[in-house]
Amino acid sequence: GAGVSQSPSNKVTEKGKDVELRCDPISGHTALYWYRQSLGQGLEFLIYFQGNSAPDKSGLPSDRFSAERTGGSVSTLTIQRTQQEDSAVYLCASSLAPSGLYTDTQYFGPGTRLTVL
Amino acid sequence: ILNVEQSPQSLHVQEGDSTNFTCSFPSSNFYALHWYRWETAKSPEALFVMTLNGDEKKKGRISATLNTKEGYSYLYIKGSQPEDSATYLCAFRGNMLTFGGGTRLMVKP
Repeated sequence: GAGVSQSPSNKVTEKGKDVELRCDPISGHTALYWYRQSLGQGLEFLIYFQGNSAPDKSGLPSDRFSAERTGGSVSTLTIQRTQQEDSAVYLCASSLAPSGLYTDTQYFGPGTRLTVL
Repeated sequence: ILNVEQSPQSLHVQEGDSTNFTCSFPSSNFYALHWYRWETAKSPEALFVMTLNGDEKKKGRISATLNTKEGYSYLYIKGSQPEDSATYLCAFRGNMLTFGGGTRLMVKP
């Protein structure tokens, strides 16, 4: 079946502009995660959605970052007033089981490469 | 902030060489250890999930071991091939999934 998809694959923007990144998880997956990988760094957790529960936003680096998940499916990560340090690959992942089941495998999308000039 | 470290950061080997690299993680509040492979321009792909001390998993030429008491996991690749070139990520499952920085493997033909 279809995997996790993300759009756009590449985004170049100017400092100070807002950007929206989209993630379509695998159908039926209740958990959705956003990560980012900055140059030379590991994967950094940003935010986690599980079903209809309130999202875990503990990884968001600043209040310029926000995310929504509509209808328990598609998610949008919004970065307002982008800064150069926001340049990174933003990855979305989904999993079938809630995170309480600690062996759940996350399925990743191809990522969005964001470049802030 | 949980400390999940991988070493080496990068590794160059010749085709046919066997190789291994390490993931170290906290030995407390352990639930599971995941390994992923991330090829350039592709999505990270799950390799293994291990939960029990002493676990060993194998998938083709790739295998992994787990020591939860001392907080480390080894990933082994036997007879490396160019198509094994990728970044190998480990992730510690505590309350959430915390990734290491990855080991970038390059296999020369």
